[in-house]
Amino acid sequence: QKEVEQNSGPLSVPEGAIASLNCTYSDRVSQSFFWYRQYSGKSPELIMSIYSNGDKEDGRFTAQLNKASQYVSLLIRDSQPSDSATYLCAVTGSGGGADGLTFGKGTHLIIQP
Amino acid sequence: NAGVTQTPKFQVLKTGQSMTLQCAQDMNHNSMYWYRQDPGMGLRLIYYSASEGTTDKGEVPNGYNVSRLNKREFSLRLESAAPSQTSVYFCASRTGPFDTEAFFGQGTRLTVV
Repeated sequence: QKEVEQNSGPLSVPEGAIASLNCTYSDRVSQSFFWYRQYSGKSPELIMSIYSNGDKEDGRFTAQLNKASQYVSLLIRDSQPSDSATYLCAVTGSGGGADGLTFGKGTHLIIQP
Repeated sequence: NAGVTQTPKFQVLKTGQSMTLQCAQDMNHNSMYWYRQDPGMGLRLIYYSASEGTTDKGEVPNGYNVSRLNKREFSLRLESAAPSQTSVYFCASRTGPFDTEAFFGQGTRLTVV
């Protein structure tokens, strides 16, 4: 059974600061990693995907992956109040059995103006 | 381009009633999924379909049935609704397993009284 762990928060960050969200996963053969943002009452939307060790940057967002430590993180620079949401980490494995994404329970991020 | 469309958006059922949640995608995706989301529990996979003509159980399949009607459509049926099935249901789709992101419908908020 794959597990994806996130701190549920809430994580409170001042506007303009860097928000750091963390995620660990149990399945060592996991291959693909995703960060979704979910506003209250809305569906999850993809903001970042990462497949290899290292950093991947997209605008104010940076995803970091360390497969040896089974750890993936999301950094949000220059945090804005509109970044306040729940952030879901998702992991997919190498196949066999259910091929759906396994989600963490999410971290609730609050950006304080 | 509509993406993933779910109907209905809201539904109230009495215990023991049945209903079908509909999902359709227009992105020519092979894989489709049904998740439920409950407070504190994150997204949990109910059933998935890796391709047209196949369906498999996810983490929480009891009380549900699914039909992959064709490549576009994947429905979820509650034969005899129970209060424990009160939840928000999301349909998702993606090109294939393993390394591609999933796209979500807008969700169905179901209340069973």
